[in-house]
Amino acid sequence: GEDVEQSLFLSVREGDSSVINCTYTDSSSTYLYWYKQEPGAGLQLLTYIFSNMDMKQDQRLTVLLNKKDKHLSLRIADTQTGDSAIYFCAERRNDYKLSFGAGTTVTVRA
Amino acid sequence: SAVISQKPSRDICQRGTSLTIQCQVDSQVTMMFWYRQQPGQSLTLIATANQGSEATYESGFVIDKFPISRPNLTFSTLTVSNMSPEDSSIYLCSVEPLRVTSGGVDTQYFGPGTRLTVL
Repeated sequence: GEDVEQSLFLSVREGDSSVINCTYTDSSSTYLYWYKQEPGAGLQLLTYIFSNMDMKQDQRLTVLLNKKDKHLSLRIADTQTGDSAIYFCAERRNDYKLSFGAGTTVTVRA
Repeated sequence: SAVISQKPSRDICQRGTSLTIQCQVDSQVTMMFWYRQQPGQSLTLIATANQGSEATYESGFVIDKFPISRPNLTFSTLTVSNMSPEDSSIYLCSVEPLRVTSGGVDTQYFGPGTRLTVL
């Protein structure tokens, strides 16, 4: 199975908060990342968290890391239509390679 | 960060032909990678492009099918050889810049991708 797992779909109303969850398996991962992919585009690095942190906030984005449970989440406050995209969780392994989840498709409805 | 361009952005090719994809970065980087993203799927690492030496391929990918060049620290090519419809994917180049400060972050930046359709 996948090393990194995510739910596949999330539908949220405009203005509400979105929460995307991810689980990973490599306890020695140094960084965990969230990438955003809009239709027809490449991947854009949204945010990251170092493995010795519990939380990171960056404007509307909040990343929570539970290292014991190997659980990562991304919260988007005040979700806008421009937030509709696929969000990928990725872990950085000790060999510097990234392992990606399957991606969560976020749909923002009016 | 790094600004990455890829050529072509998309192409439609015939079965049995080959296509070479170019990746250009605006600054020298230590690591360059090639990924494949099949329709509706996540990203799979094809290989690490090593400057001045042969690429390092992941399990399931071979040099004869996906030859890679990296002649310098800002440029790499990936060739998809003897294509079949199963090769229809988005091919993405990514780079990892050298971290110059202790407070920085190790991360990869992605190009816009090359959307390949094989008929």
